[in-house]
Amino acid sequence: EVQLLESGGGLVQPGGSLRLSCAASGFTFSTYAMNWVRQAPGKGLEWVSAISGGGGMTYYADSVKGRFTISRDNPKKTLYLQMNSLRAADTAVYYCAKDLGYNYGYEPFDWWGQGTLVTVSS
Amino acid sequence: QLVLTQSPSASASLGASVKLTCTLTSGHYSFAIAWLQQQPEKGPRYLMKLNSDGSHIKGDGIPDRFSGSSSGAERYLTISSLQSDDEADYYCQTWGTGIHDVFGGGTRLTVL
Repeated sequence: EVQLLESGGGLVQPGGSLRLSCAASGFTFSTYAMNWVRQAPGKGLEWVSAISGGGGMTYYADSVKGRFTISRDNPKKTLYLQMNSLRAADTAVYYCAKDLGYNYGYEPFDWWGQGTLVTVSS
Repeated sequence: QLVLTQSPSASASLGASVKLTCTLTSGHYSFAIAWLQQQPEKGPRYLMKLNSDGSHIKGDGIPDRFSGSSSGAERYLTISSLQSDDEADYYCQTWGTGIHDVFGGGTRLTVL
């Protein structure tokens, strides 16, 4: 069975940094694009970033471009999100989600993790 | 600009059926969508990919009570024989080349 387990969330001050991880199992990790999606408290879903199966192509929402970096380690079956210059508006539960395709933008996300909470506050 | 519109709330009785709607903006009627279910305090669960012609492919383990259909700009999710654990938020999602993934605002379903 597919499992996605996020970690690395926590409380950080504005301007600080945090790195999220997502450990994947139950599927051939390198064959699929992966995504980060976030959900602010009481709000809907917002796509944040994506990376192709091989890691060569990355994509970002305008709201995080230049501050967040997505990466993956295929042998370790792990997805990462490095978040710098954090703002209060970045406070959310962050989910990793498996894409149905190798390249981003052609398919929906068919498996989601349980999420990790990031709180940006002084 | 591609936008998905959903009613904020819906309700139906235990054992009844309910039909939720996701509306695509003009000019994007050919787009496929996905339906997601998010139960309280859980991550989203993929229900199905729904094409503009109404054909759909469900995710692993999704019961037959969940079905999809399409008409023009509208994409529908029908849940029959409602159970208490169907009470959840339901989101639609779409994607496309050069378009970052877009989510509808979600519909909160209450099972009475």
